[in-house]
Amino acid sequence: ETGVTQSPTHLIKTRGQQVTLRCSSQSGHNTVSWYQQALGQGPQFIFQYYREEENGRGNFPPRFSGLQFPNYSSELNVNALELDDSALYLCASSLTGGGSGANVLTFGAGSRLTVL
Amino acid sequence: SQQGEEDPQALSIQEGENATMNCSYKTSINNLQWYRQNSGRGLVHLILIRSNEREKHSGRLRVTLDTSKKSSSLLITASRAADTASYFCATATFSSGSARQLTFGSGTQLTVLP
Repeated sequence: ETGVTQSPTHLIKTRGQQVTLRCSSQSGHNTVSWYQQALGQGPQFIFQYYREEENGRGNFPPRFSGLQFPNYSSELNVNALELDDSALYLCASSLTGGGSGANVLTFGAGSRLTVL
Repeated sequence: SQQGEEDPQALSIQEGENATMNCSYKTSINNLQWYRQNSGRGLVHLILIRSNEREKHSGRLRVTLDTSKKSSSLLITASRAADTASYFCATATFSSGSARQLTFGSGTQLTVLP
């Protein structure tokens, strides 16, 4: 059973640029959630994708967008980067339906974004 | 916004001692989970307790839940240096049509000294 993999692991961008982060779900999972974790803080929910559609969103502006593909992999796109976007971006997969019920998340190791 | 708040923010103990971390939350929940994170890496699920449960055990972990006080505690017994990490509580609140998201607290940094 493969876990959640994210790429790239580290990247540096400048203000105003755009970034795409990628995530492969754990085998057997059909739901992907993205979280932003600032230094010293807990993860903050960005959005969740299920059946290739956004299925809930946290308090993040529209310049944060995403995609889920038929193989359940996912992308997080951030446009017009700001300094405060510097953070660890975590992807987590889970199983919705099939009697799972509990929403236990399996996390990737994260992509650390630095905006200069 | 953070749903849960962990207490203490940081805890330092000797190997072999027990570590207790507390979590308070604000709204009604379906379940509460604890996760561990090593030094800026991904989070690892430790244990889940449902809203109708009061206590749960898994190996050296013991979790309690008091829904009347909206609080939970995580006890790690006989701690080891390898338990050094940040520990987060996360609450799950499901409602029809909403994302099955988890809301995380701000975490407790546990340091176990050899």
